[in-house]
Amino acid sequence: GDSVTQMEGPVTLSEEAFLTINCTYTATGYPSLFWYVQYPGEGLQLLLKATKADDKGSNKGFEATYRKETTSFHLEKGSVQVSDSAVYFCALSAPDFGNEKLTFGTGTRLTIIP
Amino acid sequence: ETGVTQSPTHLIKTRGQQVTLRCSSQSGHNTVSWYQQALGQGPQFIFQYYREEENGRGNFPPRFSGLQFPNYSSELNVNALELDDSALYLCASSLGTPRSYEQYFGPGTRLTVT
Repeated sequence: GDSVTQMEGPVTLSEEAFLTINCTYTATGYPSLFWYVQYPGEGLQLLLKATKADDKGSNKGFEATYRKETTSFHLEKGSVQVSDSAVYFCALSAPDFGNEKLTFGTGTRLTIIP
Repeated sequence: ETGVTQSPTHLIKTRGQQVTLRCSSQSGHNTVSWYQQALGQGPQFIFQYYREEENGRGNFPPRFSGLQFPNYSSELNVNALELDDSALYLCASSLGTPRSYEQYFGPGTRLTVT
């Protein structure tokens, strides 16, 4: 079945550091890929998405590129802020189910220290 | 534009009881998905409703059931509660067709089973 594997946390960085959170996936066909963010006590917010190979999703300084050859969708940000502290989830949506079921990774907790 | 809302925010139930959780989808959305997020884990797909019909189900037993109403709001019912049902239950809405690729999540209902 479909699965998502993402970097174990927690990750702690200093403000303005470079961020990478690794994500790889297993899926039949060509899934759509997503990064969601969950702030403390809140639901999930879509951070960015990519729907086909070589697409780059970007939002709020975060970027991720859909790499079919390595089945990866790593999240990057050049300079993190304290407000980026949250849990980040990589997810995929398989194209052929007839529905939009999301399969999530286990999440990576990110803490940014001033 | 009103976002996805869920009620109640928190709930405490005893093992063996039944519970109903409610979700109002974002305006204009006709598809609702439910997810269970155990502590420290990624959300797991329970099922999805599209125009009042179940449109896919994850690996959850039949005591997890749902409904979608003509206004596209939805309920999740869980019978014979078990301790392992303690989790954050997330509802997400989307435009089911054509595929929107984006699901918008509510803040969740925190269920504790004692």
